[in-house]
Amino acid sequence: EAGVAQSPRYKIIEKRQSVAFWCNPISGHATLYWYQQILGQGPKLLIQFQNNGVVDDSQLPKDRFSAERLKGVDSTLKIQPAKLEDSAVYLCASTSLAGGYEQYFGPGTRLTVT
Amino acid sequence: GQNIDQPTEMTATEGAIVQINCTYQTSGFNGLFWYQQHAGEAPTFLSYNVLDGLEEKGRFSSFLSRSKGYSYLLLKELQMKDSASYLCAVRADNDYKLSFGAGTTVTVRA
Repeated sequence: EAGVAQSPRYKIIEKRQSVAFWCNPISGHATLYWYQQILGQGPKLLIQFQNNGVVDDSQLPKDRFSAERLKGVDSTLKIQPAKLEDSAVYLCASTSLAGGYEQYFGPGTRLTVT
Repeated sequence: GQNIDQPTEMTATEGAIVQINCTYQTSGFNGLFWYQQHAGEAPTFLSYNVLDGLEEKGRFSSFLSRSKGYSYLLLKELQMKDSASYLCAVRADNDYKLSFGAGTTVTVRA
């Protein structure tokens, strides 16, 4: 079974620029999550999708962050414009409703904003 | 809100045992998870507790006391490859969303 795929793995941009991250969850996983992990901290949930609907985006800074999962499979997370404090690893994870509880994480995208 | 506390760092010797404690105060409770995260890599699932007691899985065991809001992860027969960050996470309700602690960095020394 292929794991959660993310791209790019690394991205360096200047503040005020825009950036987009892509995630392909494990096949058949209905629930998809985007987390932000700042160095030295645990992952913080940004947004949760079930199929193509948003379940929770209460911690997503909506003035600059957006995410979509149009066909209920792949997802993109966008930041526009980026700030220095957005430097972090962005992790995508997925869960099978049938499988229960375990979240499977992708390798993450390390974003550096200069 | 959710409050999950765990020590920042721990150091132990190869072959020894280390216990990582986690305390939590959450608006609800529907399971506690432990994840292992090597530097620069994604978290990987180690254990899940939803009922009180000890769950053993090879060299790793996890304990939960719901009345005390407390869990620990026990790592036995430590190996160098166990050097990593260990994340405690709580699922507060039924929508699978996890709240993570800041992680405990374990360093195993020869």
